[in-house]
This record gives sequence, structure tokens and C-alpha cells, in this order.
Amino acid sequence: GEDVEQSLFLSVREGDSSVINCTYTDSSSTYLYWYKQEPGAGLQLLTYIFSNMDMKQDQRLTVLLNKKDKHLSLRIADTQTGDSAIYFCAETSGTYKYIFGTGTRLKVLA
Amino acid sequence: NAGVTQTPKFQVLKTGQSMTLQCAQDMNHEYMSWYRQDPGMGLRLIHYSVGAGITDQGEVPNGYNVSRSTTEDFPLRLLSAAPSQTSVYFCASRTGQISYEQYFGPGTRLTVT
Repeated sequence: GEDVEQSLFLSVREGDSSVINCTYTDSSSTYLYWYKQEPGAGLQLLTYIFSNMDMKQDQRLTVLLNKKDKHLSLRIADTQTGDSAIYFCAETSGTYKYIFGTGTRLKVLA
Repeated sequence: NAGVTQTPKFQVLKTGQSMTLQCAQDMNHEYMSWYRQDPGMGLRLIHYSVGAGITDQGEVPNGYNVSRSTTEDFPLRLLSAAPSQTSVYFCASRTGQISYEQYFGPGTRLTVT
């Protein structure tokens, strides 16, 4: 079945860039999303990318999509302590089914 | 707009008890869904609804019931709680726009003893 994989942890220093990676298996994926979850809270949509795009930039966030390798990444520039959270990658082929990764816990060191 | 709201925020149940987790949205979204979040497993879809009166099963529906009598509300019922249902439950609703992004509620943390 379809699967989405992420590394579990990432630690960066404040001011550095963070890159969170995700791989997926569903070749019919239409939209791919990045969500942020802070402790005790729900998932907050950060950004999304359509499968016919290679890159999307939104302020400090840059999403890169390599459709051939089924690889998605989220780059956070000038990472701040407030960026410490769990980041989830998710995909859908446009039906009612979404596949979520297990989440990457980002820790930002002051 | 309040977005997606969920109640209660925390709940402790004994094995065999039943309860209803409430979810409401004020964005006039047709699509709503319930997920459970367990450590190391991401989010798994329990049930979803594409409009009032229409529901369907997701990946892990056993032990849960849903109904959708209005566009705004989508309650999740646990019929006879089991310790395996200890989890964090999230409700989400989806825009009708082509990008299909979902918006999540704050979650209900359920413990079954």
C-alpha cells in the first residue's frame, strides 16, 4: 500500500537552515502537504505543493519536489526556537484519502 | 471563524464504557474526517464524511461509529472503549478548493483504563 516516510529527529542551531525530508510511494499523488504540530496542539497547515511543480517558496519556507524520486523536502531558513515542533508530510491523490508520515521532531538549539 | 473545534480536550474512560467525541466546524466545509494519532504511527483515518448524511470508513474504523446530520457537526462515538483506543483524536475538515488542504481541530486526548 501507499506509504510516506520521514526521519524521526532533526537538531539544528538557531539561525541555521533546517531541511526536513520525506519520501512517498504513491505515484498518483496530486498534492503534498507540510503540517506543523506544536506540543498539545493540532496540526497546522504550513504549505502545500501540486505535483506538477518543482518548487514553492513562501517566506522562510521552501518546498522542493522531485517527482521522479518521489522525494519532498521542506527547508526552513533562519530557523528560530519557535520552529521547534513535529513536522508531518502528507499526500493525497485527490480522493478522500490522505497518507501521513510519522513526523520529524525538529529541535532548535539556542 | 472558530475553525474546527473539538470537545472534550481530555477524557478518561474505563474499559467497556461508551462516549462521544464532538467535532464542529464553521467554514461550511463538506468534507470532514476523524484521525487517531499514536506514537510512531503518524495519523490514521478512522471515518470520513463528504456531506450531510454521507459517511464512509477509513483505515481503522473498528470500534467507532459516526453520523453526519448537519454540515457543521461530525461526532465520533466509541461503542465499548478498549485500552487499544487510548490515543489522541483529531477532527479535520477540508476546503472545497482544488488544493484539498485539511484544517485540524486541537485534538482530544483519550485514555482507556
